[in-house]
Amino acid sequence: GQQVMQIPQYQHVQEGEDFTTYCNSSTTLSNIQWYKQRPGGHPVFLIQLVKSGEVKKQKRLTFQFGEAKKNSSLHITATQTTDVGTYFCAGSRGGSYIPTFGRGTSLIVHP
Amino acid sequence: ETGVTQTPRHLVMGMTNKKSLKCEQHLGHNAMYWYKQSAKKPLELMFVYSLEERVENNSVPSRFSPECPNSSHLFLHLHTLQPEDSALYLCASSQDLNLYEQYFGPGTRLTVT
Repeated sequence: GQQVMQIPQYQHVQEGEDFTTYCNSSTTLSNIQWYKQRPGGHPVFLIQLVKSGEVKKQKRLTFQFGEAKKNSSLHITATQTTDVGTYFCAGSRGGSYIPTFGRGTSLIVHP
Repeated sequence: ETGVTQTPRHLVMGMTNKKSLKCEQHLGHNAMYWYKQSAKKPLELMFVYSLEERVENNSVPSRFSPECPNSSHLFLHLHTLQPEDSALYLCASSQDLNLYEQYFGPGTRLTVT
Protein backbone atom coordinates (compact mmCIF):
# COMPACT_ATOMS: atom_id res chain seq x y z
CA GLY A 1 0.00 0.00 0.00
CA GLN A 2 0.89 3.62 -0.23
CA GLN A 3 3.45 4.80 2.32
CA VAL A 4 4.31 8.34 3.29
CA MET A 5 7.58 8.74 5.15
CA GLN A 6 8.38 11.90 7.04
CA ILE A 7 11.76 12.96 8.44
CA PRO A 8 13.06 13.89 10.88
CA GLN A 9 10.84 12.57 13.65
CA TYR A 10 12.01 15.29 16.04
CA GLN A 11 13.89 18.54 15.57
CA HIS A 12 15.24 20.81 18.27
CA VAL A 13 16.20 24.33 17.20
CA GLN A 14 17.14 27.55 18.88
CA GLU A 15 14.69 30.36 18.34
CA GLY A 16 15.64 32.17 15.18
CA GLU A 17 17.10 29.12 13.42
CA ASP A 18 15.50 27.64 10.33
CA PHE A 19 13.66 24.32 10.21
CA THR A 20 12.80 21.89 7.43
CA THR A 21 10.74 18.72 7.39
CA TYR A 22 10.62 16.33 4.45
CA CYS A 23 7.88 14.07 3.21
CA ASN A 24 8.48 11.20 0.77
CA SER A 25 5.93 8.94 -0.85
CA SER A 26 6.42 5.48 -2.29
CA THR A 27 3.97 6.36 -5.07
CA THR A 28 3.19 9.42 -7.18
CA LEU A 29 0.74 11.68 -5.45
CA SER A 30 -2.07 13.70 -6.94
CA ASN A 31 -1.76 16.24 -4.16
CA ILE A 32 -0.27 16.74 -0.71
CA GLN A 33 -1.51 18.59 2.32
CA TRP A 34 0.31 19.90 5.37
CA TYR A 35 -1.15 20.12 8.87
CA LYS A 36 0.11 21.48 12.17
CA GLN A 37 -0.82 20.03 15.55
CA ARG A 38 0.06 21.99 18.66
CA PRO A 39 0.80 20.02 21.84
CA GLY A 40 -2.53 18.90 23.28
CA GLY A 41 -4.36 20.14 20.20
CA HIS A 42 -5.72 18.76 16.98
CA PRO A 43 -4.38 18.91 13.41
CA VAL A 44 -5.03 22.19 11.65
CA PHE A 45 -4.87 22.43 7.87
CA LEU A 46 -2.05 24.63 6.57
CA ILE A 47 -1.93 24.20 2.81
CA GLN A 48 -2.48 21.93 -0.16
CA LEU A 49 -0.10 21.50 -3.11
CA VAL A 50 -1.31 20.06 -6.39
CA LYS A 51 1.05 20.96 -9.23
CA SER A 52 4.44 19.44 -9.99
CA GLY A 53 7.20 21.72 -8.69
CA GLU A 54 4.72 23.98 -6.93
CA VAL A 55 6.00 26.37 -4.28
CA LYS A 56 3.73 28.22 -1.90
CA LYS A 57 4.55 30.62 0.89
CA GLN A 58 2.73 31.61 4.05
CA LYS A 59 4.73 34.30 5.85
CA ARG A 60 7.79 32.42 7.18
CA LEU A 61 6.60 29.02 5.89
CA THR A 62 7.58 27.74 2.44
CA PHE A 63 6.01 24.61 1.00
CA GLN A 64 7.35 22.73 -2.00
CA PHE A 65 6.02 19.85 -4.07
CA GLY A 66 8.62 17.88 -5.99
CA GLU A 67 8.77 17.68 -9.75
CA ALA A 68 7.94 13.98 -9.67
CA LYS A 69 5.13 14.60 -7.17
CA LYS A 70 6.58 12.04 -4.79
CA ASN A 71 8.11 14.34 -2.22
CA SER A 72 7.42 17.58 -0.45
CA SER A 73 9.03 19.84 2.11
CA LEU A 74 8.05 22.47 4.62
CA HIS A 75 10.64 25.09 5.52
CA ILE A 76 10.24 27.59 8.35
CA THR A 77 12.53 30.60 8.37
CA ALA A 78 13.62 32.11 11.68
CA THR A 79 11.57 29.89 13.96
CA GLN A 80 9.59 31.32 16.84
CA THR A 81 8.28 29.62 19.97
CA THR A 82 4.80 29.78 18.45
CA ASP A 83 6.00 27.37 15.75
CA VAL A 84 6.23 24.55 18.30
CA GLY A 85 4.14 21.54 17.32
CA THR A 86 4.02 18.50 15.10
CA TYR A 87 3.87 19.02 11.36
CA PHE A 88 2.16 16.33 9.32
CA CYS A 89 2.09 15.78 5.61
CA ALA A 90 -0.75 13.84 4.02
CA GLY A 91 -0.70 12.61 0.44
CA SER A 92 -3.36 11.22 -1.85
CA ARG A 93 -2.92 9.12 -4.95
CA GLY A 94 -4.84 9.78 -8.12
CA GLY A 95 -8.27 8.17 -8.00
CA SER A 96 -8.25 8.01 -4.21
CA TYR A 97 -9.87 10.58 -2.00
CA ILE A 98 -8.27 9.16 1.11
CA PRO A 99 -5.06 10.83 2.27
CA THR A 100 -2.25 8.86 3.90
CA PHE A 101 -0.62 10.72 6.75
CA GLY A 102 3.07 10.72 7.58
CA ARG A 103 4.17 10.17 11.19
CA GLY A 104 4.87 13.87 11.60
CA THR A 105 7.88 15.92 12.63
CA SER A 106 7.81 17.38 16.11
CA LEU A 107 9.45 20.79 16.27
CA ILE A 108 10.81 22.00 19.58
CA VAL A 109 11.97 25.62 19.69
CA HIS A 110 14.25 26.67 22.52
CA PRO A 111 14.05 30.36 23.49
CA GLU B 1 -12.56 26.97 16.58
CA THR B 2 -12.80 24.89 13.42
CA GLY B 3 -16.53 24.32 13.45
CA VAL B 4 -16.17 20.67 14.40
CA THR B 5 -17.08 19.70 17.95
CA GLN B 6 -16.57 16.42 19.74
CA THR B 7 -17.96 15.06 22.98
CA PRO B 8 -16.87 13.91 25.40
CA ARG B 9 -13.38 15.37 25.43
CA HIS B 10 -12.14 12.72 27.84
CA LEU B 11 -13.48 9.24 28.48
CA VAL B 12 -12.36 6.43 30.74
CA MET B 13 -14.10 3.13 30.26
CA GLY B 14 -13.73 -0.46 31.31
CA MET B 15 -13.36 -3.24 28.80
CA THR B 16 -16.95 -4.37 29.34
CA ASN B 17 -18.52 -0.93 28.97
CA LYS B 18 -20.44 0.47 26.02
CA LYS B 19 -19.98 4.11 25.20
CA SER B 20 -20.40 6.43 22.23
CA LEU B 21 -18.34 9.29 20.87
CA LYS B 22 -20.15 12.14 19.18
CA CYS B 23 -19.00 14.50 16.47
CA GLU B 24 -20.89 17.45 15.03
CA GLN B 25 -19.82 19.77 12.25
CA HIS B 26 -21.32 23.18 11.66
CA LEU B 27 -19.63 23.81 8.32
CA GLY B 28 -22.16 22.37 5.91
CA HIS B 29 -19.67 19.72 4.80
CA ASN B 30 -20.68 16.51 3.07
CA ALA B 31 -17.87 14.19 4.17
CA MET B 32 -16.92 13.12 7.69
CA TYR B 33 -14.11 10.99 9.01
CA TRP B 34 -13.00 9.13 12.14
CA TYR B 35 -9.27 8.88 12.87
CA LYS B 36 -7.33 7.18 15.64
CA GLN B 37 -4.16 8.88 16.88
CA SER B 38 -1.86 6.81 19.07
CA ALA B 39 1.53 7.76 20.41
CA LYS B 40 4.36 7.11 17.95
CA LYS B 41 1.98 6.12 15.13
CA PRO B 42 0.68 7.99 12.13
CA LEU B 43 -2.91 9.11 12.07
CA GLU B 44 -5.00 6.06 11.25
CA LEU B 45 -8.10 6.56 9.16
CA MET B 46 -10.93 4.42 10.51
CA PHE B 47 -14.11 5.38 8.67
CA VAL B 48 -15.25 7.77 5.98
CA TYR B 49 -18.80 8.90 5.31
CA SER B 50 -20.03 10.88 2.35
CA LEU B 51 -23.60 12.15 2.36
CA GLU B 52 -24.35 9.78 5.22
CA GLU B 53 -23.09 6.72 3.37
CA ARG B 54 -20.02 4.85 4.52
CA VAL B 55 -17.44 4.84 1.76
CA GLU B 56 -14.37 3.55 3.54
CA ASN B 57 -13.77 1.07 6.31
CA ASN B 58 -10.10 0.47 6.92
CA SER B 59 -10.26 -3.01 8.45
CA VAL B 60 -11.37 -1.66 11.78
CA PRO B 61 -12.33 -4.20 14.47
CA SER B 62 -16.05 -4.69 14.90
CA ARG B 63 -15.88 -3.39 18.46
CA PHE B 64 -15.90 0.04 16.78
CA SER B 65 -19.21 0.80 15.09
CA PRO B 66 -19.81 4.10 13.28
CA GLU B 67 -23.13 5.78 12.67
CA CYS B 68 -23.93 8.80 10.53
CA PRO B 69 -27.59 9.78 10.95
CA ASN B 70 -27.19 12.96 8.89
CA SER B 71 -24.43 14.94 7.23
CA SER B 72 -23.78 17.01 10.36
CA HIS B 73 -23.43 14.24 12.91
CA LEU B 74 -21.15 11.27 13.26
CA PHE B 75 -20.99 8.77 16.08
CA LEU B 76 -18.52 6.09 17.05
CA HIS B 77 -20.06 3.38 19.21
CA LEU B 78 -17.61 1.48 21.39
CA HIS B 79 -18.05 -1.88 23.08
CA THR B 80 -15.77 -4.46 24.68
CA LEU B 81 -12.66 -2.41 23.91
CA GLN B 82 -9.11 -3.43 24.70
CA PRO B 83 -6.43 -1.40 26.52
CA GLU B 84 -4.58 -0.95 23.22
CA ASP B 85 -7.59 0.99 21.95
CA SER B 86 -6.64 3.83 24.28
CA ALA B 87 -5.87 6.79 22.03
CA LEU B 88 -7.05 10.16 20.83
CA TYR B 89 -10.03 9.77 18.51
CA LEU B 90 -10.36 12.59 16.05
CA CYS B 91 -13.31 13.49 13.91
CA ALA B 92 -12.83 15.52 10.75
CA SER B 93 -14.96 16.87 7.93
CA SER B 94 -14.40 18.18 4.44
CA GLN B 95 -16.62 19.89 1.93
CA ASP B 96 -16.65 16.82 -0.27
CA LEU B 97 -14.62 13.67 -0.68
CA ASN B 98 -12.67 15.21 -3.51
CA LEU B 99 -11.75 18.34 -1.56
CA TYR B 100 -8.96 17.21 0.70
CA GLU B 101 -8.80 20.07 3.14
CA GLN B 102 -10.02 18.50 6.33
CA TYR B 103 -11.18 20.29 9.44
CA PHE B 104 -10.50 18.38 12.64
CA GLY B 105 -12.37 18.44 15.90
CA PRO B 106 -10.56 18.65 19.25
CA GLY B 107 -10.70 14.89 19.74
CA THR B 108 -11.79 12.54 22.49
CA ARG B 109 -9.00 11.22 24.70
CA LEU B 110 -10.06 7.62 25.41
CA THR B 111 -8.54 5.46 28.12
CA VAL B 112 -9.57 1.82 28.35
CA THR B 113 -8.88 0.21 31.72
